[in-house]
Formats: sequence, structure tokens, C-alpha cells
Amino acid sequence: AQSVAQPEDQVNVAEGNPLTVKCTYSVSGNPYLFWYVQYPNRGLQFLLKYITGDNLVKGSYGFEAEFNKSQTSFHLKKPSALVSDSALYFCAVVPYGQNFVFGPGTRLSVLP
Amino acid sequence: NAGVTQTPKFQVLKTGQSMTLQCAQDMNHNSMYWYRQDPGMGLRLIYYSASEGTTDKGEVPNGYNVSRLNKREFSLRLESAAPSQTSVYFCASSEASGRGLNEQFFGPGTRLTVL
Repeated sequence: AQSVAQPEDQVNVAEGNPLTVKCTYSVSGNPYLFWYVQYPNRGLQFLLKYITGDNLVKGSYGFEAEFNKSQTSFHLKKPSALVSDSALYFCAVVPYGQNFVFGPGTRLSVLP
Repeated sequence: NAGVTQTPKFQVLKTGQSMTLQCAQDMNHNSMYWYRQDPGMGLRLIYYSASEGTTDKGEVPNGYNVSRLNKREFSLRLESAAPSQTSVYFCASSEASGRGLNEQFFGPGTRLTVL
């Protein structure tokens, strides 16, 4: 079965420090990979996606993600966290020809 | 450009009541989706419509029906609401489904409570 894991329910980081939100997946073939962010009482907003090519993908608001095929991971990173980055982050994978499969979400808290 | 809009924003129902959640998009997208979001479970697909005139079941379709009224509008109906359907419902749209090349755009959500 296709699945996406976000092993940390909560990530806390101090403002100005680098942040990482982890995502691993188990799907057949070569999936497409996405990150979304959800602010309180809002819908999900697209951050970035990996389709093919360079393993390091850059997205909105200074976020980037690294695709690692051998570890089936797609971790979200940012060099310097902002308090305004505090939100719920979702990883999603799309097996070829199929619909999105979302992870359970990771709540990021950036402390001033 | 409003993007994806949903009505209502909040709703409280009693067990057994029915209601329809409305969704509309103005991005000329072909594909539309309904998800439910429950704590610790991410988003789960209820139904989707790959193109106007077609609808298909997702992961958790039981207790729901959908109508793709036209290219812009995709509604979700609960015929007889149950407490297990208490959730936050999101509508989304994308240029095309089944390929994963296109990101989905989400509405602001409907928070539904069934007593």
C-alpha cells in the first residue's frame, strides 16, 4: 500500500536556526513529491514539488527540499527559521497516474 | 481571482440531517477533489472529478455523494450525517489529475460538527 510518514508530530526550533521537517514514503515506482503548508483556519498552500532532475528543489518562502531515492525521503529544509513559519506542514506523494497521498502532518513551532 | 471558494465555513448538524457543501473554482481547472482532514491523519480523499461529467470514489467515500455541476462547481452531499463525519472538509482543484505534475489548489475549508 502507498503510504507517507512524517515521523515527528511536532518540531520546535529557535528563530534564526535551520529547520528540517522529515518525510519518508513507501510507494511503487518513481512518485512525484510535494510539500504543502497550512496556517491556522486556512486551506493548504503549495510550497514546492519534485518531479525529476536535481535532487534539491527550491520553493516558496525560502524553503527547499532534498529528494533521496535510496532512502525514499523528501525532507523539507530552511536555512534560517522565522516565527511566521510556524504552521502545519504536509508531505504528499503522487504515484504515477494516481491521486495524492498525504502524510499526517508535522506541526512546526518557531520560538522567538 | 478568488481561487477555490467553499460554503459554508462552519456548520453544525444533528445526526441524520442532510446537507450539501459547495465548492467553486475560477482557475478553469479540469479536476476537482473533496478531502476530509482529521487530527493526526492528514487529508483523505473522499471523491474526485477528473473532468467535467466524471466522478470517482477516493479512499473514504462511504456516506457521501458528489455532483460535478459544471467545470467550475463540485458539491459534496451528506445524506444522513453521522458523528463520525465531524471533520474539516477541503475542496481542491488542479489542471489535471492522475499525473501528479500539477499542484492542487485548496479552498479555505468547511468545519462540520455532527451532534
